[in-house]
Amino acid sequence: GIQVEQSPPDLILQEGANSTLRCNFSDSVNNLQWFHQNPWGQLINLFYIPSGTKQNGRLSATTVATERYSLLYISSSQTTDSGVYFCAVAGGSWGKLQFGAGTQVVVTP
Amino acid sequence: GAVVSQHPSRVICKSGTSVKIECRSLDFQATTMFWYRQFPKQSLMLMATSNEGSKATYEQGVEKDKFLINHASLTLSTLTVTSAHPEDSSFYICSAFNTETQYFGPGTRLLVL
Repeated sequence: GIQVEQSPPDLILQEGANSTLRCNFSDSVNNLQWFHQNPWGQLINLFYIPSGTKQNGRLSATTVATERYSLLYISSSQTTDSGVYFCAVAGGSWGKLQFGAGTQVVVTP
Repeated sequence: GAVVSQHPSRVICKSGTSVKIECRSLDFQATTMFWYRQFPKQSLMLMATSNEGSKATYEQGVEKDKFLINHASLTLSTLTVTSAHPEDSSFYICSAFNTETQYFGPGTRLLVL
C-alpha cells in the first residue's frame, strides 16, 4: 500500500504564530485529504486536495502531486487549532484512505 | 456539508458480550461506508469497507467473524463486535463518501471490562 509520512510529529506554537505541516506519500494518489481531530476525537474535514492549492480562512494547503507531497499552512494560530492533524491518501482504490501518523499541534496562549 | 452520525458515542460492556455500533449518513446516501479503529495516541486503521446490499470487504488481519458488518440501507451501516474482549477496547470511527470527500462520524469509544 501507499506509505504516508507526516512531519513534524509534534509542534508547539505560541498563539499568533504561523506553521507548516508536511505530508509525503510514496505513490501517485487520486485522493488526498487533510483532517483535524479535535480533543473529543471528531475528525473535521479541512481540505480535499489531490493537487493544486486551496485556502479556507487561516488555513491553506498545497499538493504537488508530481513530487508526492502536500503542505498544510496554519497562519495566526489560535488555541482552538490544537489537536492532531492527519493527512490521508488513496491510490488505486479511491475510497480506501491510508492515514499518516499525524502531527500533534499544541497552541499556547 | 455532509453529516455522519454514530451511536452510541461510548459504551462499556462485560467481556464476552456483543456490542452493536450504528453509522448513519444523515443528509446523503452512501453506497459505501468505511469502518476504522484508532488506539490511543495512534493513527486510524481501516478495518473494512461496507457495501450496501453486499458483503463487507475486510482488511488483512481483521477477523470478519468477530467484526460483523451489515449495510442494509443507503444511510445505515452497523458494526457488531462479537464476544468482545478487553483487547477490543478502542475508538471506532465510521465514514462515508459524499461526492469526492470522505466524511467521518464522531466515533464510538468502546471499553470492554
